[in-house]
Amino acid sequence: EDQVTQSPEALRLQEGESSSLNCSYTVSGLRGLFWYRQDPGKGPEFLFTLYSAGEEKEKERLKATLTKKESFLHITAPKPEDSATYLCAVLLAGTASKLTFGTGTRLQVTL
Amino acid sequence: NAGVTQTPKFQVLKTGQSMTLQCAQDMNHNSMYWYRQDPGMGLRLIYYSASEGTTDKGEVPNGYNVSRLNKREFSLRLESAAPSQTSVYFCASVGFNNSPLHFGNGTRLTVT
Repeated sequence: EDQVTQSPEALRLQEGESSSLNCSYTVSGLRGLFWYRQDPGKGPEFLFTLYSAGEEKEKERLKATLTKKESFLHITAPKPEDSATYLCAVLLAGTASKLTFGTGTRLQVTL
Repeated sequence: NAGVTQTPKFQVLKTGQSMTLQCAQDMNHNSMYWYRQDPGMGLRLIYYSASEGTTDKGEVPNGYNVSRLNKREFSLRLESAAPSQTSVYFCASVGFNNSPLHFGNGTRLTVT
């Protein structure tokens, strides 16, 4: 069975304290892995797509990486405005762009 | 640039009542999706429409029906609401395979 697992469930960081969020997957035929950010009361907002092992993408304080079994979202020197839930999702081969989501990591960044 | 628009934003129903959730996108996307989000469960696919004129079941279709009215609009209907359908419902769309989904801001539904 295809599975996507995110850890930790929740993470509290102080401003400037770097860390990483994990998304591990056991699927057959990965076509892509997506990272989204979700603020309370809003829909998920797209951050990155990774298509092959070894690929990396960066945007401001965020950097996403992909291996054959997992993806990491590295947050460097986070600010309070980075507080949100971060979701990862996998796109499987032959699935008409249907995404399978993990349950997310709730990130809180405090001053 | 509205993107994906969902109506209503909030709704309270009594058990057995029916309602239709509306979704429209202005990005000329081919495929549209309905997901539900529950605490601890993540986003789960209810139904999707790969192109205008087609619809298919997702992971949790029971108790729901959908209509792809035209290329822009994709509605989700609850014929007889149940408390288990209390959730946040998100509509999404995508233009091309392997591209990221664009989401609306959700409809928060409570069934009492």
